[in-house]
Amino acid sequence: GEQVEQRPPHLSVREGDSAFITCTYTDPNSYYFFWYKQEPGASLQLLMKVFSSTEINEGQGFTVLLNKKDKRLSLNLTAAHPGDSAAYFCAVRYNYAQGLTFGLGTRVSVFP
Amino acid sequence: ETAVFQTPNYHVTQVGNEVSFNCKQTLGHDTMYWYKQDSKKLLKIMFSYNNKQLIVNETVPRRFSPQSSDKAHLNLRIKSVEPEDSAVYLCASSLGQGISNERLFFGHGTKLSVL
Repeated sequence: GEQVEQRPPHLSVREGDSAFITCTYTDPNSYYFFWYKQEPGASLQLLMKVFSSTEINEGQGFTVLLNKKDKRLSLNLTAAHPGDSAAYFCAVRYNYAQGLTFGLGTRVSVFP
Repeated sequence: ETAVFQTPNYHVTQVGNEVSFNCKQTLGHDTMYWYKQDSKKLLKIMFSYNNKQLIVNETVPRRFSPQSSDKAHLNLRIKSVEPEDSAVYLCASSLGQGISNERLFFGHGTKLSVL
């Protein structure tokens, strides 16, 4: 089945710096990709979903890059602030029956 | 704002006991899911269910079973818990019935500790 590897497991960044998280997946037929944010004690919240190849998607304070050729999904938190401190999970979907395959998560800590 | 409600928040039990977790969604969604998040924070799909089809991850032990009274509810029963069942169980829902790009809405999770 699909395997998703997420790096790094922990990330500590200074406020105002960027935080970069990468996921690689194995199944070339995967075509829906998601980033979720989980703040301490809270539920998973969708940050962004993408389903195009080699696409840059910009959200509020972050950029998502999907490179289907390399089977790589990236999240860049630009100008991180303390509210970005959370766990971030990438997720990949091959088909409906398989649900989502999640990465192990990245713990991001933003310090002043 | 949460629209997928799980109870209980925490549950502590002993090996061999039966437990049941409840999940209710108020979004009018057609499909619900159960995920298991283990101590390494790995999230794995266990079941997906709509009023037409139950899809079971083949790696899920048979002591786990989903129970649904209507499309707004999907409970999870564990017949005889094992130590490796200690985890956070996350319920989720999505709008349609098989569109792969659907967003999932998650509950806050039920943390199970098996002594």
